[in-house]
This record gives sequence, structure tokens and C-alpha cells, in this order.
Amino acid sequence: SAVISQKPSRDICQRGTSLTIQCQVDSQVTMMFWYRQQPGQSLTLIATANQGSEATYESGFVIDKFPISRPNLTFSTLTVSNMSPEDSSIYLCSVRGHLNTGELFFGEGSRLTVL
Amino acid sequence: KQEVTQIPAALSVPEGENLVLNCSFTDSAIYNLQWFRQDPGKGLTSLLLIQSSQREQTSGRLNASLDKSSGRSTLYIAASQPGDSATYLCAVISGGGADGLTFGKGTHLIIQP
Repeated sequence: SAVISQKPSRDICQRGTSLTIQCQVDSQVTMMFWYRQQPGQSLTLIATANQGSEATYESGFVIDKFPISRPNLTFSTLTVSNMSPEDSSIYLCSVRGHLNTGELFFGEGSRLTVL
Repeated sequence: KQEVTQIPAALSVPEGENLVLNCSFTDSAIYNLQWFRQDPGKGLTSLLLIQSSQREQTSGRLNASLDKSSGRSTLYIAASQPGDSATYLCAVISGGGADGLTFGKGTHLIIQP
């Protein structure tokens, strides 16, 4: 399994500001995934981050709103830009632990509340 | 587009009972299926992974089955305990396994002491 650390674990933010979430993995991984979980909902994939290339965004998510960095094989950041109350969610980082099985592991999540 | 449905949405049972959580998916061309547990406000803990060539996986009191042809998976929890109270999520990877998961909305489980 992979151990994934996310920072911050939670934060309260003001409308119009931006927040960067960090994700650190204890081993080198090719792909890292960022998910959003809105209150009472399941998880929705925001984007896939590969080291050395631009992130691939899912329909409904754009780079200007959710810029992602992937500077190396163990670290990634997700920024939530120009936040509104609708961005209040848990944001989760995920990695694939075993390439041949596709099993995914998740961090503890970052709970953001936008006032 | 793959869609994943979980039934029931919520379940409350007395401690000690055996129970079954259901998951169905619309596209049977899956790479694998994974069951997760999520405690309130927390991240996801992987419980069981079933690859497309497998029919079931077991871990302790948990047993997950997969029937690709019918697009169904079940998670069986034996001798339930209050500590099993959580939301259980089913997720599938479709295609060649290079993508992220498609999640169901989960089953919110409460085990009454």
C-alpha cells in the first residue's frame, strides 16, 4: 500500500481567495489523481496529474480554476482558485499503488469550507 | 459512460447481524472493482480489490463478489460490529485501467450496539 499525506487537513477560507492543497506520497508513482467530494455526494475525479506533463482535466473542471503542479514522482499540489461557497468540499489525493492491479489509495482529504 | 449505483443508500442493523451491500455498474467492460470505507470527514480506506478475472475476494469478516456479466458486486459483512459503522463506497475502473475510478454514492451503514 501507499501512504499519502495531505495538507491542510481542513481550512476555512474567504470567498475570492485561493488555497493550495499539498499531497505527498511515500513512494514514487506515475499517476496521481485529484478528487472532489461535495457535501453528501460521492467522489468526482477532477484531474489526473502525471509527472513531466500537464494535468488531464475531466469534463467540467478547468485548469484556471484548479491548477495542478506535479514537480516530481512523490508530490503534487492542487489549487482551488477564486473560491466560492460552492467549492466547499473535501478534496482528496489518490495514487495507484500497484500498476498491475490498478488498486487506488487515498489520502485523508482536505476539508475546505468557503464563507 | 460508466455509472455506478449502490443500494441501499442507508442501512441500520443491530450488532452481530450479517449484511450485504449491493453495487451495480452499467458497463461490464471493467478493469477492476474496489470497495472502500469512509469515516465521517475522512479519506477513503481500501477494503477489497477484485480484478476483472476474479469472482471474489475475502479479508477477515469481509467478502466481496463480482459478477461482470450482470454488472453487479456485493460486499458481505459477517458478524457486524459498531466499529463497522461508516459509509461504504464501490468504485470501478473501466477500460484498460489507466483512468481514475467511477464511484457510487455509497451506503451509509450504522451498526447499533
